[in-house]
Formats: sequence, C-alpha cells, structure tokens
Amino acid sequence: GESVGLHLPTLSVQEGDNSIINCAYSNSASDYFIWYKQESGKGPQFIIDIRSNMDKRQGQRVTVLLNKTVKHLSLQIAATQPGDSAVYFCAENRGDSSYKLIFGSGTRLLVRP
Amino acid sequence: DTEVTQTPKHLVMGMTNKKSLKCEQHMGHRAMYWYKQKAKKPPELMFVYSYEKLSINESVPSRFSPECPNSSLLNLHLHALQPEDSALYLCASSPGLPADPQHFGDGTRLSIL
Repeated sequence: GESVGLHLPTLSVQEGDNSIINCAYSNSASDYFIWYKQESGKGPQFIIDIRSNMDKRQGQRVTVLLNKTVKHLSLQIAATQPGDSAVYFCAENRGDSSYKLIFGSGTRLLVRP
Repeated sequence: DTEVTQTPKHLVMGMTNKKSLKCEQHMGHRAMYWYKQKAKKPPELMFVYSYEKLSINESVPSRFSPECPNSSLLNLHLHALQPEDSALYLCASSPGLPADPQHFGDGTRLSIL
C-alpha cells in the first residue's frame, strides 16, 4: 500500500470535545503535508497544510502537528461540532518536485450530540 | 461552494458511449489534476497538467483521454469504458508549484452500465 496510513479508521467523539486524528508516513524526504475533509457527496476540502520546516501550524479550531523524528502527523480539532462529521484524509508530497500527492486511507469522524 | 466547478454532477453511460467530463477554475491556477475515487477509498491520481502541458500520466488506460484547452479548463474524454470504471471523478487545481495546496471540485459521479 501507500506510505501514508492512519491508526484509526473511525473516531467517535462527543460534541464539544477535542478530536485528534493521526497519520503515519514512511518517506523521510516528504516535505509537504495536507489535511482534507470530505463530506458525503462532496469533494475533499482543504483544511490546513504544513511544510517540513515547521512542527506546528494553527488554523481556525484546527492544529496540525508534525513529528519528523517518528514520521507522524496529527490533526487536532477543538470543540468538535456536528458539522465536523466527515472523512479526513492526510496527504503528503514526497519532496521530489512532483505534483503527486500520496493520500492516506482516511479516518471517519463521528460526532455524537 | 467550491471554486473548482465540475460538470456534469452525475453521468450514466453505456460501454460503447463517448462522453466528456469538464472542469473549470477561475483562481488563476496553473496546475490541474484528475483523480478517481472509489467508495470508501482515498482519491487516486490519474493525470496532472502543469502550465497546460501533461506532466503526469499514472499509467491510465487509453480509454481515458485528458485535454487542457487553456489554463482554466480541463476535460476528460471517455470512450469504451468498463463497469469497473464506475467511480467519482474529481478535478483539482493548484497555483503552479509541486508543493502547493490542491483544491478539489465536488466531482462527477460516473456509472457505467
């Protein structure tokens, strides 16, 4: 399979709690990472990205953490809302000047009311 | 609403038909992509156009023929497709460099009879 994988296929959280979605990658040369959210019947929606010269990047209610030592990427969603229910994909660019993104297998986030 | 527009949203065709999928963006992006996505799977790259030139063909069968008439438009011509080609076909665009965020349309749901 591809090098980018996820530890949990489904994550169920209580509304208002924080969510953490994890992703592992195997190519140490990868230098650019993206998180996408895909709702049913829609295309992947860009959430946040991070380059390999950073460890952390924050957006609105979301934070991406990059640990290059263990080749691990995570997406944290604060105060999870019902509208956050979706499938989340991590993706990496392998730093080879290619336009190709390698996608992880995806994690479904379910938000309980 | 996405800034990458794909038409049609749904398409049903027989194995002997010829049809085309269309994608349009007006963000001034210079790289455009076609992806195929099967149910519960991540998107798989098919083609990349960079500055209107074909940059990547991921060994896609010749029954799929991409075309980039100008920097805003991307077509995917379909001919003699097989039932296993039924999938969601996604178009994406990015500013122009390999490690730029890709922005997706909502796709064309294709069914082959």
